[in-house]
Amino acid sequence: AQSVSQHNHHVILSEAASLELGCNYSYGGTVNLFWYVQYPGQHLQLLLKYFSGDPLVKGIKGFEAEFIKSKFSFNLRKPSVQWSDTAEYFCAVTTDSWGKLQFGAGTQVVVTP
Amino acid sequence: EAGVAQSPRYKIIEKRQSVAFWCNPISGHATLYWYQQILGQGPKLLIQFQNNGVVDDSQLPKDRFSAERLKGVDSTLKIQPAKLEDSAVYLCASSDRDPSYNEQFFGPGTRLTVL
Repeated sequence: AQSVSQHNHHVILSEAASLELGCNYSYGGTVNLFWYVQYPGQHLQLLLKYFSGDPLVKGIKGFEAEFIKSKFSFNLRKPSVQWSDTAEYFCAVTTDSWGKLQFGAGTQVVVTP
Repeated sequence: EAGVAQSPRYKIIEKRQSVAFWCNPISGHATLYWYQQILGQGPKLLIQFQNNGVVDDSQLPKDRFSAERLKGVDSTLKIQPAKLEDSAVYLCASSDRDPSYNEQFFGPGTRLTVL
């Protein structure tokens, strides 16, 4: 069965530290890849997405993600985090034309001042 | 533009009772999704509508869950009867144009507690 794995459930880091969140998926065909974020008290919202082309994609708020097809990975990075990046981050994949999203379990990120 | 609206925001019921959730998608969005998010897990798709037709309901527990989207606009999700394991946040999302390439916009969710 298809699955999405996020490596860390909880991450705590200080402001200005670098962030990398791992995401692996199990599906051998064409995939569309997403990172969604949920800030405290807010709705889930799209951070960035990859469909094709340059495997390094840039999203909002200084986030980027790299698609490595050979590793079935789509890791999220930010060079220097801020307190406002405290949120839960979800990796998601679609494998069909109807856009059915399969989510990972999420990573809770806490950035301390 | 107005976002996806959901109501109620919170609901507490006892097991074996019934409950219904309402969702109004962003105006003009043809695709509507209902997700179930259990604490500590990512959202899981329950049902997907394209206009007023069901595209995918493979993970909907049809013995107790039902959903409809009359007139291709707003939607209701019902649980009857509820079980303890139905405690979760129920998220509604919508997207326009080609759903496989488009961002899904999520509502605030309804937090259901079954006692």
